[in-house]
Amino acid sequence: KAGVTQTPRYLIKTRGQQVTLSCSPISGHRSVSWYQQTPGQGLQFLFEYFSETQRNKGNFPGRFSGRQFSNSRSEMNVSTLELGDSALYLCASSLAAHYTGASGANVLTFGAGSRLTVL
Amino acid sequence: DQQVKQNSPSLSVQEGRISILNCDYTNSMFDYFLWYKKYPAEGPTFLISISSIKDKNEDGRFTVFLNKSAKHLSLHIVPSQPGDSAVYFCAAKGLFYGGSQGNLIFGKGTKLSVKP
Repeated sequence: KAGVTQTPRYLIKTRGQQVTLSCSPISGHRSVSWYQQTPGQGLQFLFEYFSETQRNKGNFPGRFSGRQFSNSRSEMNVSTLELGDSALYLCASSLAAHYTGASGANVLTFGAGSRLTVL
Repeated sequence: DQQVKQNSPSLSVQEGRISILNCDYTNSMFDYFLWYKKYPAEGPTFLISISSIKDKNEDGRFTVFLNKSAKHLSLHIVPSQPGDSAVYFCAAKGLFYGGSQGNLIFGKGTKLSVKP
């Protein structure tokens, strides 16, 4: 069973540019969550998508956005990049959406991440 | 406001001894807790979890203890092995509907080094 696949694994951008990251969840998983990991800050929740709808959003500016397609694949976009956006962006999938409270929603399976460097 | 705290950024343990990683939380609505392990250049991997109706859950060398009154949980690894060297994240979740607290909230992690 294939795991969560994130592309690209590494990328370098300059300030002001935009970036799009892609995530393919585990087959059968319909919930996709995105997290940002920076040194010393742990994993910060960005947003969750389920059935092509954003179900939950963390405390990030509107420059961070995402979407989910009918096949559950998800993309996140960061516009007008800032130096502080340099981070590891992690995608995770689960069987059910967090808000349902179902047991299948508790355990997230993470991808290897996309390492973004903003110069 | 950090709701899940891992106050020790790092921990060094000798191979074969016990590793104890600690985690504190502030939100009494959290009722499901997980530990994840992360190696460099890889995503976090689920390790073990515990529901608030329990105070202990064991899986092989890994045991998680939950003290709800103290809002504290700990992960015990016995015996520790060099391959356990990784960053360990504690995460918490409230099993209620809607709102931003349905997602997992992570601590900042503790880097465990197990020396041969």
